[in-house]
Amino acid sequence: DIRLTQSPASLSASVGDRVTITCRATKDINKYLNWYRQKPGKAPEVLIYDASNLETGVPSRFSGTGSGTDFTLTISSLQPEDVATYYCQQFDNVPLTFGGGTKVEMK
Amino acid sequence: VQLEQSGAEVRKPGASVKVSCKASGYTFTSHYIHWARQAPGQGPEWMGIFDPSAGTAAYSQRFQGRVTMTSDTSTGTVYMELRSLRSDDSAVYYCARDRQVIVSGDFYYNFMDVWGEGTTVTVSS
Repeated sequence: DIRLTQSPASLSASVGDRVTITCRATKDINKYLNWYRQKPGKAPEVLIYDASNLETGVPSRFSGTGSGTDFTLTISSLQPEDVATYYCQQFDNVPLTFGGGTKVEMK
Repeated sequence: VQLEQSGAEVRKPGASVKVSCKASGYTFTSHYIHWARQAPGQGPEWMGIFDPSAGTAAYSQRFQGRVTMTSDTSTGTVYMELRSLRSDDSAVYYCARDRQVIVSGDFYYNFMDVWGEGTTVTVSS
């Protein structure tokens, strides 16, 4: 199975801060990586697909980069509604796998 | 586009549970449906994928032999049954639609664009 390691596991930032989350895969997954945001008590929602494509309706402060084994999700200006846990997910190989998550809190 | 899941369930170890996921707002047979579960404090875990147009499924090896995915095309509902339940099967179970339009003959993966609200399954003696 492909393992996805996210870092950091948690972070605390202020409104307006730039936030960066990384996801590293145990093998080359090309660009077959998606990013999700999960607010407390809710289902995940897709933010970025195919490593760098912004899903329709998702604010432009979210962006994704990377290919191969190393990927990054950036929030350019953190907003209060971004308090959530963020997950990367690969679809290069079955079983599909998710990272362990990065919990983003507000300072 | 919406996926509506059945309500919370409580089961004893060794029992089975069947969770439903009713799709609306799109053509039921045009998109794959995934099932994933999430234990408290953990990331989601993928269980498998279902093709409503063919009635076929592909399961994660981790659940092979214990899980069955089926559907009722007349109501636009997909079901996930998990058998021989253990305490570590306690989790929130989600169905999610894949953005990929179904291509007959194989499973193709993209991203999960619509999720159900989740069904809490508790396994306890």
